[in-house]
Amino acid sequence: DTAVSQTPKYLVTQMGNDKSIKCEQNLGHDTMYWYKQDSKKFLKIMFSYNNKELIINETVPNRFSPKSPDKAHLNLHINSLELGDSAVYFCASSQLDQETQYFGPGTRLLVL
Amino acid sequence: GENVEQHPSTLSVQEGDSAVIKCTYSDSASNYFPWYKQELGKRPQLIIDIRSNVGEKKDQRIAVTLNKTAKHFSLHITETQPEDSAVYFCAAINTDKLIFGTGTRLQVFP
Repeated sequence: DTAVSQTPKYLVTQMGNDKSIKCEQNLGHDTMYWYKQDSKKFLKIMFSYNNKELIINETVPNRFSPKSPDKAHLNLHINSLELGDSAVYFCASSQLDQETQYFGPGTRLLVL
Repeated sequence: GENVEQHPSTLSVQEGDSAVIKCTYSDSASNYFPWYKQELGKRPQLIIDIRSNVGEKKDQRIAVTLNKTAKHFSLHITETQPEDSAVYFCAAINTDKLIFGTGTRLQVFP
């Protein structure tokens, strides 16, 4: 009965590789988000989708591409991984873009 | 765009004491202010929130106050316990996105 789930939990990979992180929510929410939390714990929004449409696209390298196959899923694909991409990536969802956001457990990405 | 500042960055208190974390925001259009608690290795979890039409909200040992004129809001934790130890984030939202403060690491010593 997990509300917001992410896979994988841990991801260790080499520089230059391409990887994907998946997110699913079973709360019936319309809006989903991706956040990046760096080593200093700063939480910064990357993308937001409302009902499968991109509504927020922060200054993120175009190596990052979100994809929303339906409103319950928001995946994040990262091309040509760099050392600076190492971080914890959190998915979140909310009913509306001004309501409470519920976070997934996070995916810890380490690029070697 | 919105900018949220949070102080202090670290806070150490003795069990049973009170803890106060303060945040300021820049955009007067912001209308929703949640507080999240993040334990080590875990997800941020909402502990309390306040909307701009309310000045204060309380939930057991946790309270939040909002001063719209000064554009600042605070988290108050009374009778702190060791399990309150975590990183606390304030945030502000206006039209479309949640902007987080830089976090406060709270340590409660028994």
